[in-house]
Amino acid sequence: GALVYQYPRRTICKSGTSMRMECQAVGFQATSVAWYRQSPQKTFELIALSTVNSAIKYEQNFTQEKFPISHPNLSFSSMTVLNAYLEDRGLYLCGARGTGYEQYFGPGTRLTVL
Amino acid sequence: GDSVTQKQGQVTLSEDDFLFINCTYSTTTYPTLFWYVQYPGQGPQLLLKVTTANNKGISRGFEATYDKGTTSFHLQKASVQESDSAVYFCALVDREGGRALIFGTGTTVSVSP
Repeated sequence: GALVYQYPRRTICKSGTSMRMECQAVGFQATSVAWYRQSPQKTFELIALSTVNSAIKYEQNFTQEKFPISHPNLSFSSMTVLNAYLEDRGLYLCGARGTGYEQYFGPGTRLTVL
Repeated sequence: GDSVTQKQGQVTLSEDDFLFINCTYSTTTYPTLFWYVQYPGQGPQLLLKVTTANNKGISRGFEATYDKGTTSFHLQKASVQESDSAVYFCALVDREGGRALIFGTGTTVSVSP
């Protein structure tokens, strides 16, 4: 079956520091990977969509300078949160899509900023 | 832009009750519609999807019909169990644009034994 792993599951960083999170697709080829942030109220914010052989498209309020993403192959993607502050807290989810329209999600990386 | 609306933030039921979660969508294209379920400590899991208007998706006792006329995709289950307690998200994707899923705000379902 299609599985998505994310690590770390939880991370704590000091305000102003950076942290990197990873997403790995197993059992299928991730032709696109979407990164979301989920709030404590469970709402989703789409950060960016990365499609193989295309430029990474960032949503409004999210920039490459703040959330650089790497998608080097069909099974792996990573995103860094640079200069993290309190407003960057949340559960970061990666949704990987194969040949169908559905996305498969990992368990998320929960970011706490002190 | 595309959007999904879930009016109910919270639904509280007892076991064997009927579950109905409202979902409507807005898009200028012909989307594929989904229901995802998220259990505590986990990412969203695909529950069901429907790609064609007027078709019904069925999974694990849940069902939803893609109603293009009313732009709705309500989720139903005839008899809920305590294990169905979770957050349910309605979502769509624009099939032409190759974009990411657009999610509704979610409905928390709590089922008591």
